Amino acid sequence: RKEVEQDPGPFNVPEGATVAFNCTYSNSASQSFFWYRQDCRKEPKLLMSVYSSGNEDGRFTAQLNRASQYISLLIRDSKLSDSATYLCVVNGGATNKLIFGTGTLLAVQP
Amino acid sequence: ETGVTQSPTHLIKTRGQQVTLRCSSQSGHNTVSWYQQALGQGPQFIFQYYREEENGRGNFPPRFSGLQFPNYSSELNVNALELDDSALYLCASSLGYGQSGELFFGEGSRLTVL
Repeated sequence: RKEVEQDPGPFNVPEGATVAFNCTYSNSASQSFFWYRQDCRKEPKLLMSVYSSGNEDGRFTAQLNRASQYISLLIRDSKLSDSATYLCVVNGGATNKLIFGTGTLLAVQP
Repeated sequence: ETGVTQSPTHLIKTRGQQVTLRCSSQSGHNTVSWYQQALGQGPQFIFQYYREEENGRGNFPPRFSGLQFPNYSSELNVNALELDDSALYLCASSLGYGQSGELFFGEGSRLTVL
């Protein structure tokens, strides 16, 4: 089983749509969780951290379910500029290293 | 921009050759991590250096080696290149031991092995 699993997509959605990405992780000792965004042929950049109580940043909402070892990202009112790959990232517990998922490709259509 | 710079940006090598990739970390960051990203995959952790010492290693063979210098810049060396080594190699800098916070990535070095 992969340490961090994501649906690779692609998710093709119209502008203005709401889209949700899910991610599961295998290490119950993981303590830190993030969503990174990677544009085509560019480096990954931090989108937002994920906290146990859930957190929101504008149109983006992240949720963490420790019991199910599950993380989600919700994007409301999708923009063309949201088109990118979204990487689920989990701290690897005792190794204390960030482990990346394969990424989910989002394509927002006009 | 993150302030993390990598060189070269692109390079082509043949099987069996050796390559050295370089990374300058963001000012004030003492930790450098290297990742390999194959096409269509997420970044895979190679190893991390903290204050010039290797601090953790992923599932990569010994022909992948590295260094960190007193100014916290770093090198990744790969010997006996194989076709499967073709990938984007990403350097990320951060502050402190381990990786519990944000990583700041460079734009990467794209290696093609023929």
